[in-house]
Amino acid sequence: DTEVTQTPKHLVMGMTNKKSLKCEQHMGHRAMYWYKQKAKKPPELMFVYSYEKLSINESVPSRFSPECPNSSLLNLHLHALQPEDSALYLCASSQGEDREQFFGPGTRLTVL
Amino acid sequence: AQSVTQPDIHITVSEGASLELRCNYSYGATPYLFWYVQSPGQGLQLLLKYFSGDTLVQGIKGFEAEFKRSQSSFNLRKPSVHWSDAAEYFCAVGVEGQGFSFIFGKGTRLLVKP
Repeated sequence: DTEVTQTPKHLVMGMTNKKSLKCEQHMGHRAMYWYKQKAKKPPELMFVYSYEKLSINESVPSRFSPECPNSSLLNLHLHALQPEDSALYLCASSQGEDREQFFGPGTRLTVL
Repeated sequence: AQSVTQPDIHITVSEGASLELRCNYSYGATPYLFWYVQSPGQGLQLLLKYFSGDTLVQGIKGFEAEFKRSQSSFNLRKPSVHWSDAAEYFCAVGVEGQGFSFIFGKGTRLLVKP
C-alpha cells in the first residue's frame, strides 16, 4: 500500500466552527507532514511530525492544531478559521534514506 | 539560505514536441532533489528524485532529469510531450535541519497545444 489518504475531500465551514482534517498512511513511514497550498502557489509547510513528535512548526497560527495519535494517523484540528485560510491542505509522509514524500490528494477547505 | 528557482511560470509546447523545465537551487551541501507533478485540485505525484550516483535520473511517464552541480541545476526533460502531461510541475530540494523538509520552487505550469 503506497497511498496516503485524506478525509474529507471537501470541507466548507464557518468562522465559528470546529472541524478536523484526517490523514492516514500504512507504509510504515515515521514522518508525516501538513502543507497548505493556495491557488497557483507551491505547498507551504505547516507542521512536521517525526516519530509521532512535533519536530517542525512553521509559526502557524494557533487556530490550526496538529495531532499525531499514532504513526499511521495525522489530524489537523481547525477552530475559528478566517476566510484567508481557505486552501488545499495536503498531507504527506516519508521514511528512509530516500526521504521522498508521498502526498495525499488533499482536502479542499473553504471558510465562509 | 536554501532556495529553489523555477524561472518559467508558464510553458506552452505542442503535443509531440520535446520539453525542458528548468530548476536551479541554492544549497550548501549535496542536495536531495525532486520533481513533482500536480494536476488541478490533486495532490503531488513524484516524477523522479536525485540523491547521489548517476547524474541522469529516469522517472515515471517518460521523464528524466539531469543534475549539474556546476550549474546548480536539475532540469526536467521529456522527448515527446502528451496532452495528458499538462499540469503544474514543482522542483523541490530536501533540506536537513529539525527533521527533514522540502523547499519547493514556485512551479511551472505546462500547457500542451494539440
